[in-house]
Amino acid sequence: DQQVKQNSPSLSVQEGRISILNCDYTNSMFDYFLWYKKYPAEGPTFLISISSIKDKNEDGRFTVFLNKSAKHLSLHIVPSQPGDSAVYFCAASAGGYQKVTFGTGTKLQVIP
Amino acid sequence: ETGVTQSPTHLIKTRGQQVTLRCSSQSGHNTVSWYQQALGQGPQFIFQYYREEENGRGNFPPRFSGLQFPNYSSELNVNALELDDSALYLCASTVGLAGNTIYFGEGSWLTVV
Repeated sequence: DQQVKQNSPSLSVQEGRISILNCDYTNSMFDYFLWYKKYPAEGPTFLISISSIKDKNEDGRFTVFLNKSAKHLSLHIVPSQPGDSAVYFCAASAGGYQKVTFGTGTKLQVIP
Repeated sequence: ETGVTQSPTHLIKTRGQQVTLRCSSQSGHNTVSWYQQALGQGPQFIFQYYREEENGRGNFPPRFSGLQFPNYSSELNVNALELDDSALYLCASTVGLAGNTIYFGEGSWLTVV
């Protein structure tokens, strides 16, 4: 049972445009959501997070939106840069940050 | 640089053998978790240790076991290796159980033949 779903395995965006990565979850106990970025041959790197008490969190070019009623979150990257090309994982936890459930990832390619 | 180092980076084992993977965390990181990432999948939670005690386990059989040591290092042991155990194994550490950034190591690639 995939509790965190990223239905788009890949996404291509032109440099300077907006990248929108989507994520859906099924477990209503999840109260903390995270996005990780992963380059080949490296471990995941924490990018941004959001608590279930918020609906938006912003950090520089990265904004995460949470729609609890739809059990949906999205990551917006504006403007997209070639260095953003990586695999992005959506993740969620309930009551303990390290017991994290990951999605299957979306490979983002930003085209110069 | 996350301050989390894992060894070995790559290894090949034969089905039925046993393997030990190691992780060294930053000083003060008293919580460590291990994840398994198969090709094309997201990391799957194996278990978590807090102050040297197991504090949560995912859907993995008992042949996956771990240890956490006072010097902020830890081990993942897998007995009776199966072909499906071939994956990237990630160690992640932080301080406490919630509220702090989690740092991942670069992983150990295990191939079982």
